[in-house]
Amino acid sequence: AQTVTQSQPEMSVQEAETVTLSCTYDTSESDYYLFWYKQPPSRQMILVIRQEAYKQQNATENRFSVNFQKAAKSFSLKISDSQLGDAAMYFCAYRGALGGGTASKLTFGTGTRLQVTL
Amino acid sequence: DTEVTQTPKHLVMGMTNKKSLKCEQHMGHRAMYWYKQKAKKPPELMFVYSYEKLSINESVPSRFSPECPNSSLLNLHLHALQPEDSALYLCASSQGFRDRRLGGYTFGSGTRLTVV
Repeated sequence: AQTVTQSQPEMSVQEAETVTLSCTYDTSESDYYLFWYKQPPSRQMILVIRQEAYKQQNATENRFSVNFQKAAKSFSLKISDSQLGDAAMYFCAYRGALGGGTASKLTFGTGTRLQVTL
Repeated sequence: DTEVTQTPKHLVMGMTNKKSLKCEQHMGHRAMYWYKQKAKKPPELMFVYSYEKLSINESVPSRFSPECPNSSLLNLHLHALQPEDSALYLCASSQGFRDRRLGGYTFGSGTRLTVV
């Protein structure tokens, strides 16, 4: 079974600074997706960024980028130029890439609560 | 339309009530999901529908009854719930499992359920 671990329950960053959230995972599959979701107090789960395991290039979305280390099974999220609106719970998640069975399941880490201070 | 719409946003029900949660998407996604999320915890999978058929039931108590009337609509019927069932219920959708490559999920904003 796949597992996702987020070892930082809470993080804090000053506005305009950079912060990195950690995530490690365990899987025996070779093809899969990794995601970072953001959940603000408004509670909607918002997709921040996604990475396909077969792509070596790290994904980037504006101020958000990942450091994907497939061999180490590590998938960290870097937020640059942090803004007050980035304050939220961040979940790392894993999903198998192929159709059927357990690949349908999105496995979440326990989350990291990010605070952004002035 | 790139949204998953859930209604109602808030629901308070007694332990003897029957109520339903509704979820709708018009993205052509053929897989739909119900997740339960307790405070400060990650979402937990309850049910998965693929092409309108129940694909996964994560040993959810029978007081929760899912229904998928068509490819755009997913319901969760609630009956005789317990106070510990109070939680945020999230619906999500994704590409269907017959697609060669799956993508991520699109989540709705959830229904905050309180059982009294």
